[in-house]
Amino acid sequence: EVQLLESGGNLVHPGGSLRLSCAASGFTFSSYAMSWVRQAPGKGLEWVSALSGSGGSTHYADSVKGRFTISRDNSKNTLYLQMNSLRAEDTAIYYCAKDPSYFYDGGTYFDYWGQGTLVTVSS
Amino acid sequence: QSVLTQPPSVSGAPGQRVTISCTGSSSNIGAGYDVHWYQQLPGTAPKLLIYGNSNRPSGVPDRFSGSKSGTSASLAITGLQAEDEADYYCQSYDSSLSGSRVFGGGTKVTVL
Repeated sequence: EVQLLESGGNLVHPGGSLRLSCAASGFTFSSYAMSWVRQAPGKGLEWVSALSGSGGSTHYADSVKGRFTISRDNSKNTLYLQMNSLRAEDTAIYYCAKDPSYFYDGGTYFDYWGQGTLVTVSS
Repeated sequence: QSVLTQPPSVSGAPGQRVTISCTGSSSNIGAGYDVHWYQQLPGTAPKLLIYGNSNRPSGVPDRFSGSKSGTSASLAITGLQAEDEADYYCQSYDSSLSGSRVFGGGTKVTVL
C-alpha cells in the first residue's frame, strides 16, 4: 500500500525558513517523480514543485521560484521542500504527491497523495 | 483566478446525475493536454478520480465518468450518493506556464 507521510509544518514568521519532509513507503521511491502541492485555507489546489526519480530534474511554480528548493534522498525514501523567505501567502496545507512515472511530465497526474502538513506564516 | 474554470457549486438529489464543467483555453485543454479529476472529501487529502480524460483508477465506481472536447472537459456523477458530497478539482497542463500543472478552482457537490 502506497503511503506518504508529511511532516515539518509549523508557524513561522514572515521572512523565515522551514523544511518539509515526506516519508514514502509501499513503492519503489526512486522510480517515480514526486511533487509538492499546496492548498491555502478554504482555497483550491496549487502545484508548487516537482522532481524526477533521480532528483536530477526539478521544476517550480513561478510563485515559489528562487525561494523554495525541492530535493529527495532515495536512500531514505524521503522527499523534501526547503522553504525560504516565507510570505503570508505561503500559508497553506502542503501535500506531497506521487507521479505515475519516473520523469516529471507536466501533462500527467498525481496518483497518490499524503495527508498534508500545515504551514502558517504570520507575525 | 484559476487557469481552469469550474462552477463553484452543483447540487442534486440522491440518484440524480450531475455534471461539473472544466473550461480552459488554447494553451492547456485546447492544446490537447489531458484532463484529470480529483475528489476531496471534507477534511481529507485529494484522491485521484479520473485520469487521462476518461480513465478510472482501480476502485473508483463506474458512476464517475469523464470526457473532454475542445477547450473543455466534464465530470459526470450518475446515481448520486450521499458519500459523493465533496470538492472536485480538474487538473491539466498549461504550456504558457513553464512546466506547471494547473488546477480548476474546485466545485463543491452537495447532495440534497
